[in-house]
Amino acid sequence: DSGVTQTPKHLITATGQRVTLRCSPRSGDLSVYWYQQSLDQGLQFLIHYYNGEERAKGNILERFSAQQFPDLHSELNLSSLELGDSALYFCASSGGGAGGQINEKLFFGSGTQLSVL
Amino acid sequence: GDSVTQMEGPVTLSEEAFLTINCTYTATGYPSLFWYVQYPGEGLQLLLKATKADDKGSNKGFEATYRKETTSFHLEKGSVQVSDSAVYFCALTLMDTGRRALTFGSGTRLQVQP
Repeated sequence: DSGVTQTPKHLITATGQRVTLRCSPRSGDLSVYWYQQSLDQGLQFLIHYYNGEERAKGNILERFSAQQFPDLHSELNLSSLELGDSALYFCASSGGGAGGQINEKLFFGSGTQLSVL
Repeated sequence: GDSVTQMEGPVTLSEEAFLTINCTYTATGYPSLFWYVQYPGEGLQLLLKATKADDKGSNKGFEATYRKETTSFHLEKGSVQVSDSAVYFCALTLMDTGRRALTFGSGTRLQVQP
């Protein structure tokens, strides 16, 4: 058990809909990362938050957004869903991110499997 | 941009066979290199890492050496077990640029048969 919790585990929805994926990082971790895993694109970095602030953006579509709350949990919002958004979405956390000692090890949740029909 | 290239799978081996999974990278700076493993139905777990040239990362019988001259970080294990069946991801990060997010390769599926 990595200590990172993602909910829900599975999500089935229709095109055009909006969904929210939730991630609770390991206790004490300030950084949260979101990744998308699909068969054709592999593991793609979406976005990184540190202590509530956005730190880096990867290949995240404008239809997608994320935030990290004061209790450090994070949500990934996916809107106007398309068939191609079907993928496994991972959240990962780490202790570092803003300077000082950087914790390079990421702890991954078990993912949310999104199916867009 | 930065990228990681891994050999395509699946790699199918018999138990106790020698394993090599190739990984090469392209980076604008001096990356830290990682191997992560994903068992069925689970998230990724860090297997080993190396942060500078000629470093060797090792864990659970797996090894990988950071080769700057060949920009490679090949994963090896002398004798695989059925329990090693998983997907293996090579990854890099460029800490000195502040880009802490990992860039992953496409993953290599390993199937070990009894």
